[in-house]
Amino acid sequence: GESVGLHLPTLSVQEGDNSIINCAYSNSASDYFIWYKQESGKGPQFIIDIRSNMDKRQGQRVTVLLNKTVKHLSLQIAATQPGDSAVYFCAEILNTDKLIFGTGTRLQVFP
Amino acid sequence: KAGVTQTPRYLIKTRGQQVTLSCSPISGHRSVSWYQQTPGQGLQFLFEYFSETQRNKGNFPGRFSGRQFSNSRSEMNVSTLELGDSALYLCASSDLGGGYGYTFGSGTRLTVV
Repeated sequence: GESVGLHLPTLSVQEGDNSIINCAYSNSASDYFIWYKQESGKGPQFIIDIRSNMDKRQGQRVTVLLNKTVKHLSLQIAATQPGDSAVYFCAEILNTDKLIFGTGTRLQVFP
Repeated sequence: KAGVTQTPRYLIKTRGQQVTLSCSPISGHRSVSWYQQTPGQGLQFLFEYFSETQRNKGNFPGRFSGRQFSNSRSEMNVSTLELGDSALYLCASSDLGGGYGYTFGSGTRLTVV
């Protein structure tokens, strides 16, 4: 498969544990944030989003937390599975007209 | 429904050549955006087209250009290729544009030798 990021921080978790992936965003004026998952050889895939007027949003096995005070976003994955192994990106929509991606974190799940 | 289709999947070009990449959006989507992904720089925004008009542009040299056709299909062109242009080029389509509701294709892997 293709390497999508040789310089990424890596989070290693055991199958069944919870994962927390963190992201610092850059612009306090951004009002919409998205988490993407990218598997080897594929494009980024939408996981969950959150608007700036919220501080928490839950999906299936995933939760996104937003702390606007410190411009921090986190993605929590419950009961992490081998299929969750991928690179995860946070992204912000800047000035309502451009999607800007963060650096990415590689999640490795081991049995 | 069919997803975003990018062709070709892989491409090898020589320095100085030019290349054209194609993106077919999801049916009904009017916006197509292009991104360059490299290990060092991550995902960088190139440009967005909406209903055949360039709506937004990133910080790339003029060697990078694009266009969108009346059926919303988009092409991007890179002229006078440099080694540093080697990357995964991703396109995303949406009906709103501006970053909202993006669906990404699997990308074109361009290698410049």
